[in-house]
Amino acid sequence: RKEVEQDPGPFNVPEGATVAFNCTYSNSASQSFFWYRQDCRKEPKLLMSVYSSGNEDGRFTAQLNRASQYISLLIRDSKLSDSATYLCVVNDRGSTLGRLYFGRGTQLTVWP
Amino acid sequence: EAGVAQSPRYKIIEKRQSVAFWCNPISGHATLYWYQQILGQGPKLLIQFQNNGVVDDSQLPKDRFSAERLKGVDSTLKIQPAKLEDSAVYLCASSLNSQSFPYGYTFGSGTRLTVV
Repeated sequence: RKEVEQDPGPFNVPEGATVAFNCTYSNSASQSFFWYRQDCRKEPKLLMSVYSSGNEDGRFTAQLNRASQYISLLIRDSKLSDSATYLCVVNDRGSTLGRLYFGRGTQLTVWP
Repeated sequence: EAGVAQSPRYKIIEKRQSVAFWCNPISGHATLYWYQQILGQGPKLLIQFQNNGVVDDSQLPKDRFSAERLKGVDSTLKIQPAKLEDSAVYLCASSLNSQSFPYGYTFGSGTRLTVV
């Protein structure tokens, strides 16, 4: 069983659409959670952290459900520039860095 | 601030050959990581160094992979002999310290290895 599971997609949406990605993790002791963005043939870059209370960063909203071991990312008003692969990442420690577990990523294409 | 430098960008080798990748982390970053990212998958940690010591190499296939960070700065990852399934992007990352995570955790642009 993989540590982090994601629907690989692809998701193809028009500009302006709202799209949601989901992720589940297997280790209930996991402590901190993140979404990374990876453009084609580029390195992963931090998009946002995910907090239990839910958090927003502009058009992006992340949510965590510890009881269900489930993480989500919502993108509102999609832009062409949002086209990328979104990686769900789980850290096995809390506020400090342990080992990071990456999901396989969900591919998003936003079309005009 | 200069980023994490990796070389080469691309490498094509035949199976059973050897290959080495180089990484120079951001100046002052004590921790260095090597990840393997197979096409269609997320990055998987191979080895983690703290200065010149190995912290975690539990997922490194030690029969064919080796890595070193002799002076606690740059690092080399070697595969000998290579197999077809080693075809992947090898990403190096570095971090300032564990307390600053996730900030200050930076990936290099990777080395794309193709084994034929």
